[in-house]
Amino acid sequence: KNEVEQSPQNLTAQEGEFITINCSYSVGISALHWLQQHPGGGIVSLFMLSSGKKKHGRLIATINIQEKHSSLHITASHPRDSAVYICAVQGYNTDKLIFGTGTRLQVFP
Amino acid sequence: EPEVTQTPSHQVTQMGQEVILRCVPISNHLYFYWYRQILGQKVEFLVSFYNNEISEKSEIFDDQFSVERPDGSNFTLKIRSTKLEDSAMYFCASSEGGNTYEQYFGPGTRLTVT
Repeated sequence: KNEVEQSPQNLTAQEGEFITINCSYSVGISALHWLQQHPGGGIVSLFMLSSGKKKHGRLIATINIQEKHSSLHITASHPRDSAVYICAVQGYNTDKLIFGTGTRLQVFP
Repeated sequence: EPEVTQTPSHQVTQMGQEVILRCVPISNHLYFYWYRQILGQKVEFLVSFYNNEISEKSEIFDDQFSVERPDGSNFTLKIRSTKLEDSAMYFCASSEGGNTYEQYFGPGTRLTVT
């Protein structure tokens, strides 16, 4: 069983739609990261969370530690949001990130 | 804005050859990482490095792999004798602190072993 599971694997949306990507994990964590991977392969860090909620522009990330679950929301989606969104977790006393398989998002005009 | 850089962007090598992948982390960062992503698969941790030594490594990081910080700026990953299954995108990352600090990723080096 994967330690980090994401859903859905693929997501298509029309421009302007509200997007939700989910992440569940099975290990104890000190932090959860949301990352964006562009078609060229580069990885950009979006958020790092250990509790509660964070917002940056149209992106919102939430985490529920008790339920071992996090969500990434994109409001008013735009074609430039098309990318793979990856959830990764960090356990206690370790720096390494354990990655999910990613959610491929395509936003059409 | 400071960024992690990696060279080369693409390396093609023959099986059995040695390769060195290079990374320049963000200058005030103290923790350095290598990850890899085989085509179509998820990103996997290889190794973390702090204070001039390996702090953690995965099962993938066997004796064929080594890391070095030869000077104050570069961080390198060496694969001694490449195998076909080493073909992947290799990402370097750095962070100011370790656990619960954001990691900043380089653009990656695509390694193709023929």
